[in-house]
Amino acid sequence: LAKTTQPISMDSYEGQEVNITCSHNNIATNDYITWYQQFPSQGPRFIIQGYKTKVTNEVASLFIPADRKSSTLSLPRVSLSDTAVYYCLVGGAGGTSYGKLTFGQGTILTVHP
Amino acid sequence: NAGVMQNPRHLVRRRGQEARLRCSPMKGHSHVYWYRQLPEEGLKFMVYLQKENIIDESGMPKERFSAEFPKEGPSILRIQQVVRGDSAAYFCASSRDRDFMGETQYFGPGTRLLVL
Repeated sequence: LAKTTQPISMDSYEGQEVNITCSHNNIATNDYITWYQQFPSQGPRFIIQGYKTKVTNEVASLFIPADRKSSTLSLPRVSLSDTAVYYCLVGGAGGTSYGKLTFGQGTILTVHP
Repeated sequence: NAGVMQNPRHLVRRRGQEARLRCSPMKGHSHVYWYRQLPEEGLKFMVYLQKENIIDESGMPKERFSAEFPKEGPSILRIQQVVRGDSAAYFCASSRDRDFMGETQYFGPGTRLLVL
């Protein structure tokens, strides 16, 4: 299973853009990159998923360079309610990682007023 | 469109009792996954099921734990003879049939098990 490395914690202020980078040096050809958000006492919430280049939805953007060994989750104009743990996961269709998401420690994002 | 449902949300058991955790996947989803989360840790995969079949149970302890996803009704995670170390949050996730574009798992709110 591809291992991911992300910062343990980050701090930001309301209205700023936040970029969280995740390293996944041994990502496999079939692997997708997925980001989840988790609030205390809740289940992880799907944010965004991508395979290469850039993906954007209503809440975030995901930037993936050509070698796919890293990815960056971008949250535009964060608010206090974005304070949460953010997980980067690698896996997907086919291969031994199919169906088995591997969560690391995640990044604790704290947004200050 | 209701999301993944789990019940109960909180469950208290004494050592040696049985715990049954239920999960109803999102409408149209036929794949179910169970994860366990200890305090201050990330989620750990336990088991992956499709209707009436266990696909991957490599993360589930060999003793006392079992899971099923019957043709009708919710998926059940069963823990027999619970011990204090089983205290954790148990999350269920579901996904649609597998497709080539990757597989997005959607999580339920979890069941918090406390063993006294």
